[in-house]
Amino acid sequence: GQQLNQSPQSMFIQEGEDVSMNCTSSSIFNTWLWYKQDPGEGPVLLIALYKAGELTSNGRLTAQFGITRKDSFLNISASIPSDVGIYFCAGSSNDYKLSFGAGTTVTVRA
Amino acid sequence: DAGVIQSPRHEVTEMGQEVTLRCKPISGHDYLFWYRQTMMRGLELLIYFNNNVPIDDSGMPEDRFSAKMPNASFSTLKIQPSEPRDSAVYFCASSLKSGGIQYFGAGTRLSVL
Repeated sequence: GQQLNQSPQSMFIQEGEDVSMNCTSSSIFNTWLWYKQDPGEGPVLLIALYKAGELTSNGRLTAQFGITRKDSFLNISASIPSDVGIYFCAGSSNDYKLSFGAGTTVTVRA
Repeated sequence: DAGVIQSPRHEVTEMGQEVTLRCKPISGHDYLFWYRQTMMRGLELLIYFNNNVPIDDSGMPEDRFSAKMPNASFSTLKIQPSEPRDSAVYFCASSLKSGGIQYFGAGTRLSVL
């Protein structure tokens, strides 16, 4: 089962806003991953983090591997309509088995 | 690479019928995973293989579920007999020997009536 606490569960964004979400774990992880899932598709990897304290960017996305190795956050800057979807954090304490958060659903505010 | 390929994309069946879901992992990946996704429980790991050998099937809900990987390029997840509560999206993912990154297929949406 899932060991990760991901928040917020959902959020509404206005185009141009910055978005932030995070994940915490009761266990120490060696790897943190952030995925995005569009409707009718499988999760797609956004960012991978491998070292405590690591800060990594991918375009408008920035993610950090927490110093305690029990948390991670994802920021989206200057959001655009195609940023809507479900974002999942995932952590691994070994090289191959992942635990997933429940997801953060991002919706555009009308 | 074409990525992880799953078939069918959608499956509608009646309770009691056998359902077989198929997956072709990314070539060269040593690990293959089967997940089930529902609104209530999110993404659940059902089983994973390493070099075609099942390593951990503790997530398989019950004996009605079985999975095989006869070779490095093909895996099946079978439900027999199917029940309405099996309705979900089933994902296959694969990964290299190390790194932790799993690449997902587009999923099979199963509806059991």
